[in-house]
Amino acid sequence: EAQVTQNPRYLITVTGKKLTVTCSQNMNHEYMSWYRQDPGLGLRQIYYSMNVEVTDKGDVPEGYKVSRKEKRNFPLILESPSPNQTSLYFCASSKKGYNQPQHFGDGTRLSIL
Amino acid sequence: TQLLEQSPQFLSIQEGENLTVYCNSSSVFSSLQWYRQEPGEGPVLLVTVVTGGEVKKLKRLTFQFGDARKDSSLHITAAQPGDTGLYLCAAGVVDAGNMLTFGGGTRLMVKP
Repeated sequence: EAQVTQNPRYLITVTGKKLTVTCSQNMNHEYMSWYRQDPGLGLRQIYYSMNVEVTDKGDVPEGYKVSRKEKRNFPLILESPSPNQTSLYFCASSKKGYNQPQHFGDGTRLSIL
Repeated sequence: TQLLEQSPQFLSIQEGENLTVYCNSSSVFSSLQWYRQEPGEGPVLLVTVVTGGEVKKLKRLTFQFGDARKDSSLHITAAQPGDTGLYLCAAGVVDAGNMLTFGGGTRLMVKP
């Protein structure tokens, strides 16, 4: 089954404790991205990757890191999480192209206390 | 970053009613996608429109891309409880590659 898998689905942690949210896709997609979703603000892009070893900032990259060492994986790293990073996070993947459908994971709800 | 405004933000209607959701911008887009998101899940693509004036139908849902490619609408005929969810529009520009700008969403509740 074609899918984007995120882990964990839920995480409650404390300020300053490094965490990683994993994302894996099995569709051989070149493009992967991370979004955060906050009430009334829709989906805002954090980082994206056009291919292996190619990453770039989205609209809200501060406080986040990513890496793309393999085509299928695109982890999101919070080196020193803060309460304003409490949010619902989505990973997405697609083929290259401006009108390609984005395939989303089921989301990771992060609470930073 | 281009701004996409969706209206209304919330909509609560009875089963069988018709409704229209709007997605507007002052910028021209190369493509416009509509997604539906249900609780606990990620958004799922409903349709992509790329030509100004284009109309696409998906059962009881009708999607339209404005002639100037700055706006879009989603019309649902005879809404059903299964249509309940968050509807998101997302715009793309050829020069921006795969990057999408999302609207704030319309949360629809259809009551039986």
